[in-house]
Amino acid sequence: RKEVEQDPGPFNVPEGATVAFNCTYSNSASQSFFWYRQDCRKEPKLLMSVYSSGNEDGRFTAQLNRASQYISLLIRDSKLSDSATYLCVVNRGNYQLIWGAGTKLIIKP
Amino acid sequence: DAGVIQSPRHEVTEMGQEVTLRCKPISGHNSLFWYRQTMMRGLELLIYFNNNVPIDDSGMPEDRFSAKMPNASFSTLKIQPSEPRDSAVYFCASSLEGTVRNTIYFGEGSWLTVV
Repeated sequence: RKEVEQDPGPFNVPEGATVAFNCTYSNSASQSFFWYRQDCRKEPKLLMSVYSSGNEDGRFTAQLNRASQYISLLIRDSKLSDSATYLCVVNRGNYQLIWGAGTKLIIKP
Repeated sequence: DAGVIQSPRHEVTEMGQEVTLRCKPISGHNSLFWYRQTMMRGLELLIYFNNNVPIDDSGMPEDRFSAKMPNASFSTLKIQPSEPRDSAVYFCASSLEGTVRNTIYFGEGSWLTVV
C-alpha cells in the first residue's frame, strides 16, 4: 500500500459543477498537508495548504480529517481552466514530502 | 522575481552518454531538491540539499547518478552513463528552510529522452 493514495481519475465534470476528491495517507505522524496542481507538461505548483480547521480559497476548499487520515479538495463552480492533475502532498517532517500520484480532472464545456 | 531556473529544458541523448542537468534555485532559499517524474512512478525525490550539503540521497537510483551543489546558487545532477530507463522529467525545486511551513517551488523541468 502506498503511503499517500489518490484516485487517479480522470474525473470528467461539466463546467459549473462541484467536484471533490480525497487523498488518504497512512503515516499518522504526518505534520502538514498540501494540494498542488500540475498542468500537462508543466511543473507542480502549490494550490493550497490544508489546515486542521479546514480552509477556503475562493472556489477551493480543503479539509483535513486526522482521525480517518485523509484530506479532501472541493472545487465549486468549476471552470475549464481547472482542468489539471491535482497532487496530494503529505509532509512527514522537515523535507520529507510524500507525493500522491495525482487525480486528473477534466472540465467539459 | 526569477523562479527556479533549469537547463536544458529538453535533451535527447544516446544511451551511454553523459547527461548534466543544471539548476539555479530561488535566491535566498537554502533547501534544494531534485525530483524525477515518470508516468509509472510519479514524483520521486532523488536528493535533498540543505545549505549546500546533501542531507538525503537515498532516492538516487544508483551510482550512475550524482549531484553536487558547489554554492547556494547552483546545483547539477549528472547521469553517467545514461540508459533509456532514465528517460523522465527531472525537476529541481527550492524552498526556504525545509518544507513543513514553506512552499516548495519547482523549476519548469528538464525533459530527458535517452535513446
